[in-house]
Amino acid sequence: GENVEQHPSTLSVQEGDSAVIKCTYSDSASNYFPWYKQELGKGPQLIIDIRSNVGEKKDQRIAVTLNKTAKHFSLHITETQPEDSAVYFCAARATNAGKSTFGDGTTLTVKP
Amino acid sequence: DADVTQTPRNRITKTGKRIMLECSQTKGHDRMYWYRQDPGLGLRLIYYSFDVKDINKGEISDGYSVSRQAQAKFSLSLESAIPNQTALYFCATSHKRGTSYNEQFFGPGTRLTVL
Repeated sequence: GENVEQHPSTLSVQEGDSAVIKCTYSDSASNYFPWYKQELGKGPQLIIDIRSNVGEKKDQRIAVTLNKTAKHFSLHITETQPEDSAVYFCAARATNAGKSTFGDGTTLTVKP
Repeated sequence: DADVTQTPRNRITKTGKRIMLECSQTKGHDRMYWYRQDPGLGLRLIYYSFDVKDINKGEISDGYSVSRQAQAKFSLSLESAIPNQTALYFCATSHKRGTSYNEQFFGPGTRLTVL
């Protein structure tokens, strides 16, 4: 089955700096890669996703890049703000799979 | 997401007790999931359902059972709770858009403590 590894497990940055979280996956059939943000006391919520036919996708301060050959994808957050502090999960799924496999999560802390 | 609700939000129980966690959704989605979250272990899939009466095991189904009697409801049961089932439990839904399923919508979670 699919295996997703996520690094780092914790990340602390100064407000205004950039943050990068990286994930690798094992199943070459995976073609959908979402990123979820989980705020304290809440369920995860999708913030951005990318499909395997695209190498990069951007939405304001967040962007995701995908390298299919190397089987890794990354989340980039620029100009970080304290409200970006949360746990971030990456996931991978193949179209014909009924489920996604999640990484272990990254706790991001943005210091004012 | 208010469209996916979980009850109870918190539960403390004793070893050996039977526990049921409920999930309801008003999104009209056909697929529903139960996950368990432990610190440092991410989200692990317990069971998932593609439609009413359809049940599929996830990666950690031992000790759990589920019921999908209606499209909007998916219940998770612990027949005889044990302390290592203490965790945060999430229900999620998804639907088909075009030819594939995309994002999952998560409920607020149920914090379960087994003493």
